[in-house]
Amino acid sequence: GDSVTQMEGPVTLSEEAFLTINCTYTATGYPSLFWYVQYPGEGLQLLLKATKADDKGSNKGFEATYRKETTSFHLEKGSVQVSDSAVYFCALSDLGSGTYKYIFGTGTRLKVLA
Amino acid sequence: SQTIHQWPATLVQPVGSPLSLECTVEGTSNPNLYWYRQAAGRGLQLLFYSVGIGQISSEVPQNLSASRPQDRQFILSSKKLLLSDSGFYLCAWSPEGASYEQYFGPGTRLTVT
Repeated sequence: GDSVTQMEGPVTLSEEAFLTINCTYTATGYPSLFWYVQYPGEGLQLLLKATKADDKGSNKGFEATYRKETTSFHLEKGSVQVSDSAVYFCALSDLGSGTYKYIFGTGTRLKVLA
Repeated sequence: SQTIHQWPATLVQPVGSPLSLECTVEGTSNPNLYWYRQAAGRGLQLLFYSVGIGQISSEVPQNLSASRPQDRQFILSSKKLLLSDSGFYLCAWSPEGASYEQYFGPGTRLTVT
């Protein structure tokens, strides 16, 4: 079945450091890929998305490129801020699998120190 | 614009008591609806999803149930809560029939004592 694998956290960085959170997936069809962010005590918010190979999603300085050849969708940001501290989830949806389910990774906690 | 509501925001219930959590969506028709549970420090576990009124798919066998009495209303219930039911419950919706992103509600923090 479809699956999403994220790097284990927590990730601790100093302010203005470069961020990479790895995400790889397996899917039977042609999934759409997403990054969500969850701040403490809140629901998930969509951060960015990509719907086909080589698409780059971007938002708030974050970006991720849909790489079909490596089945990856790594999240990057050039200079993190303390306010970026949160849990980040990689996810996919694959209607080609015949379901309406979304598959989420286990989440990666990011802590940015001032 | 679309909005999603969940209530209550927090709930403390004794073991063996019933549960009812409600989720409603405004500003869209025939959404796909989802219930997830997030245990402390863990990822999301899909519990139920629904593609239409009265259509419920269960992902994990347990003492929880879901119902969709109206197009934009999704209810999560239990007749008798267990300690292991504690967690953060999230409702989400997505547009009908496409691989669009999901939109999440603010969540309900349930503590079973």
